[in-house]
Amino acid sequence: DQQVKQNSPSLSVQEGRISILNCDYTNSMFDYFLWYKKYPAEGPTFLISISSIKDKNEDGRFTVFLNKSAKHLSLHIVPSQPGDSAVYFCAASESGGGADGLTFGKGTHLIIQP
Amino acid sequence: KAGVTQTPRYLIKTRGQQVTLSCSPISGHRSVSWYQQTPGQGLQFLFEYFSETQRNKGNFPGRFSGRQFSNSRSEMNVSTLELGDSALYLCASSIAALSYNEQFFGPGTRLTVL
Repeated sequence: DQQVKQNSPSLSVQEGRISILNCDYTNSMFDYFLWYKKYPAEGPTFLISISSIKDKNEDGRFTVFLNKSAKHLSLHIVPSQPGDSAVYFCAASESGGGADGLTFGKGTHLIIQP
Repeated sequence: KAGVTQTPRYLIKTRGQQVTLSCSPISGHRSVSWYQQTPGQGLQFLFEYFSETQRNKGNFPGRFSGRQFSNSRSEMNVSTLELGDSALYLCASSIAALSYNEQFFGPGTRLTVL
């Protein structure tokens, strides 16, 4: 039973346009959400996070939106750059870590086209 | 400042054997988490150690175990290896426990079970 779902295995976006990566979750106990970026042969790198008390968090070109009623979050990258090509993982946790620590989605491979 | 290091980077074992993987956290970091990444299941949380104590454990069988030493270095052990244990094993360190937004990942150990 997958508690965090990223339904798009891959996404292709033109350089300079907006990239929107989506993530859905089923566990209503999740109250902290993160996005990680992963290049081949490297470990994931933390990108941006959001607490359930907020519905938006912005950091430079990256914005995460949280819709608690829909149990949905999205990562917006504007404008998209070639270096953004990577696999993006959505992750969620409960207060205090919960039983399962951090729960990840399976990732979305973002490809930025020149 | 040196990053998280994992040894070995690649490992080939046969079914039934056991394996020990090592993770050296960033200096000053006291929390170490372990994750398994497979194409089918994505990234899954294994366990987290803080100050030599296991804080959380994911949904993995008892064949997967770990420990943390007084210098914060951590090892994970998998006994009686199965083909399905072939995966990339990632460790991540942070200063405090449950600090997922301040977690730094190592490059991983690629385990192949034949």
